[in-house]
Amino acid sequence: AQSVTQPDARVTVSEGASLQLRCKYSYSGTPYLFWYVQYPRQGLQLLLKYYSGDPVVQGVNGFEAEFSKSNSSFHLRKASVHWSDSAVYFCVLSFYGSSGNKLIFGIGTLLSVKP
Amino acid sequence: NSKVIQTPRYLVKGQGQKAKMRCIPEKGHPVVFWYQQNKNNEFKFLINFQNQEVLQQIDMTEKRFSAECPSNSPCSLEIQSSEAGDSALYLCASSLMPNSDYTFGSGTRLLVI
Repeated sequence: AQSVTQPDARVTVSEGASLQLRCKYSYSGTPYLFWYVQYPRQGLQLLLKYYSGDPVVQGVNGFEAEFSKSNSSFHLRKASVHWSDSAVYFCVLSFYGSSGNKLIFGIGTLLSVKP
Repeated sequence: NSKVIQTPRYLVKGQGQKAKMRCIPEKGHPVVFWYQQNKNNEFKFLINFQNQEVLQQIDMTEKRFSAECPSNSPCSLEIQSSEAGDSALYLCASSLMPNSDYTFGSGTRLLVI
């Protein structure tokens, strides 16, 4: 069955430090993968996406992610975090199955950036 | 600022009352999804449309939930008889085609008391 696992419910880093948020997926076909961010009392905003090609994809605000088919992973990275990056980050798998298009969401990782 | 507009931002209803929320998808996006996000960050798919036609919906929506996406009018999701378990953030998302980028609205937070 298709699934998305974000093993870290909460990550705390200091401002200026590097960041990696982990995402593992389970899907036998070619995955479409997304990272979305949700700020308090807001909807989800797209950070970046992977469809095919270069496994390292660049997103907004200095975020990037690396797709690994062998590891079934799509980890999110940022070289230097800012306090405004504090939010909940969701890894999302999109696929087209027998009953149409589906989105599978991870449980989210709450990022807290200490000043 | 989201290109998908959801209203109202907050909705408070008593049990058994109707709850209706609206969504204007991003311009040019024919595909519209509704999701329910609970306080544990679990997302439940409710229904989706393509050009006003229902593509998929879960069984739950066939009973108390109804939704429509008429042409030239906002999409809407209505709960006929609200229950405490319906308290959640309801997110509308639109896309150019299935299996492509989704633009999410800010959501309608429903509280059923």
